[in-house]
Amino acid sequence: GENVEQHPSTLSVQEGDSAVIKCTYSDSASNYFPWYKQELGKRPQLIIDIRSNVGEKKDQRIAVTLNKTAKHFSLHITETQPEDSAVYFCAARQGGGGSYIPTFGRGTSLIVHP
Amino acid sequence: EPEVTQTPSHQVTQMGQEVILRCVPISNHLYFYWYRQILGQKVEFLVSFYNNEISEKSEIFDDQFSVERPDGSNFTLKIRSTKLEDSAMYFCASSDYREDTEAFFGQGTRLTVV
Repeated sequence: GENVEQHPSTLSVQEGDSAVIKCTYSDSASNYFPWYKQELGKRPQLIIDIRSNVGEKKDQRIAVTLNKTAKHFSLHITETQPEDSAVYFCAARQGGGGSYIPTFGRGTSLIVHP
Repeated sequence: EPEVTQTPSHQVTQMGQEVILRCVPISNHLYFYWYRQILGQKVEFLVSFYNNEISEKSEIFDDQFSVERPDGSNFTLKIRSTKLEDSAMYFCASSDYREDTEAFFGQGTRLTVV
């Protein structure tokens, strides 16, 4: 089955700095890579996703990159703000059909210091 | 914006008791899921449900667990004879019929087995 590794487990940055979270996956059949943000005690919420036919995607201060050859994808947050503090999960899933069963990474706790 | 809703938000139960966690998926969605998140750990897939039957399940989803869609709106997870290690946040999610669409998560039910 799919195995997703995520690093670092904790990331502490100063407000305004950039943050990068990296994930690797094992199954070359995976073709959809969502990123979730989970604030304390709340549900995971999708913040950005990327499909395997795209190498990079950007949405305001967040961007994702995907290297299919290396089976590696990353989340980049620029100009971090205290409200970016949360746990971020990467995930990978195989496409085909409507069933959505991603394999999640272990999460990165991002702390943005004002 | 439509949401997946879960009840109760917190359930405390004695070890060995049965619990039923309830979910109301988004109304036009066809795929339903249960995930589990042990405190401080990653989100883990339990089971997916489509067309009134289980479509996939993980190794976590053993005979202790069952799911049901008793009417047109509710989707339930039953845990028989709860164990201490069942204590976790349980998330319900749903997705629609289109390929490669995300699943929307409910706010979770925190289950505490004492």
